[in-house]
Amino acid sequence: GAGVSQSPSNKVTEKGKDVELRCDPISGHTALYWYRQSLGQGLEFLIYFQGNSAPDKSGLPSDRFSAERTGGSVSTLTIQRTQQEDSAVYLCASSFGQRHSPLHFGNGTRLTVT
Amino acid sequence: TQLLEQSPQFLSIQEGENLTVYCNSSSVFSSLQWYRQEPGEGPVLLVTVVTGGEVKKLKRLTFQFGDARKDSSLHITAAQPGDTGLYLCAGGGTGYKLSFGAGTTVTVRA
Repeated sequence: GAGVSQSPSNKVTEKGKDVELRCDPISGHTALYWYRQSLGQGLEFLIYFQGNSAPDKSGLPSDRFSAERTGGSVSTLTIQRTQQEDSAVYLCASSFGQRHSPLHFGNGTRLTVT
Repeated sequence: TQLLEQSPQFLSIQEGENLTVYCNSSSVFSSLQWYRQEPGEGPVLLVTVVTGGEVKKLKRLTFQFGDARKDSSLHITAAQPGDTGLYLCAGGGTGYKLSFGAGTTVTVRA
């Protein structure tokens, strides 16, 4: 079956530009997560969506970062006025949203800000 | 600040040798998950442990959750080149958010 799909797989952008990263979760999964992975670091939680509930945005590092999830399915992570420190791999994951539910990750979007 | 500390950061061994990766925290977790990540891919779940003192075996991999649910270990017996990857532990609290460690990069040489 189809897994979590992320696009683009790679994105190179100039400092100051806006970028949009897309995530298509597994059908039927109610929970969707965004994480950021920098070299030598673990996964940094960014935001969580569960069904129709208000998202948990507590991990977003600044107001330049925002995310939405339309129709309980596809999600878009937007970074405005990108900075070099935003360079990282952005991973999306989905799950059934129950306690101890495993996360199913996409292959990520590697963002490079020049 | 990482809530979960993994050690060692890097591990390189010869095929056939055994290895152990550790995951420690000062926090209590309701569950502990282990993932393996290969280059260019997302992490893939290996196991979930939820009970203090629990031991789970998955072929040559043995996972243990500490009695106090603050630490865990992953032991691989007779490692193979296919075991090469980044091993990540992730702790779950009372909610849904998973906190990840920085990972251990394991290289198994043929």
